[in-house]
Amino acid sequence: AQKVTQAQTEISVVEKEDVTLDCVYETRDTTYYLFWYKQPPSGELVFLIRRNSFDEQNEISGRYSWNFQKSTSSFNFTITASQVVDSAVYFCALSEAGGIQGAQKLVFGQGTRLTINP
Amino acid sequence: EAGVVQSPRYKIIEKKQPVAFWCNPISGHNTLYWYLQNLGQGPELLIRYENEEAVDDSQLPKDRFSAERLKGVDSTLKIQPAELGDSAVYLCASSFVAGSGVFFGEGSRLTVL
Repeated sequence: AQKVTQAQTEISVVEKEDVTLDCVYETRDTTYYLFWYKQPPSGELVFLIRRNSFDEQNEISGRYSWNFQKSTSSFNFTITASQVVDSAVYFCALSEAGGIQGAQKLVFGQGTRLTINP
Repeated sequence: EAGVVQSPRYKIIEKKQPVAFWCNPISGHNTLYWYLQNLGQGPELLIRYENEEAVDDSQLPKDRFSAERLKGVDSTLKIQPAELGDSAVYLCASSFVAGSGVFFGEGSRLTVL
């Protein structure tokens, strides 16, 4: 069975600090996808990134970066120079590779509530 | 391009009443999902459609929940009758068959009194 663990329930930092959100996953599939979503107070899940299991290159997008390590089954998310607007709940998710590419069932972690204090 | 649209955003009903939620996915997205999110939890899949076919409804409580996706575009999720434990946010999402992500709507927050 697939499982995603986000051990950090809540994180609170001061603005401009760097912060890393941990994500550890379990799957028996050799092909799978990993996602990160941001959920601000408005409630919408905002898609941040999708990674396939064959692509272990780290990715950077502005102040966001992701570290994918198959050896430790981890897909961690780092925000550099955090800002108050980064305050939200962040979810890591895992999906199997469906029979049709892109058709996926997402299994979510419990989420990490990130608070950036001014 | 418009995102996933859901309505209503908020709904308050008495227990045993019926309720329906509507979702319009991103144009061209063949796959549509309904997820349930309880307070403080991650979303959990209720049902997944590929075009108009429900390909995974194993977690849909079929005694009171039903869903349809006529013509493979819009979808409706219904609860009849609603129970107190159904209070949650119902999220709709869609993805393109060969796409790069699964995109969610703002959700429909249900409160059952």
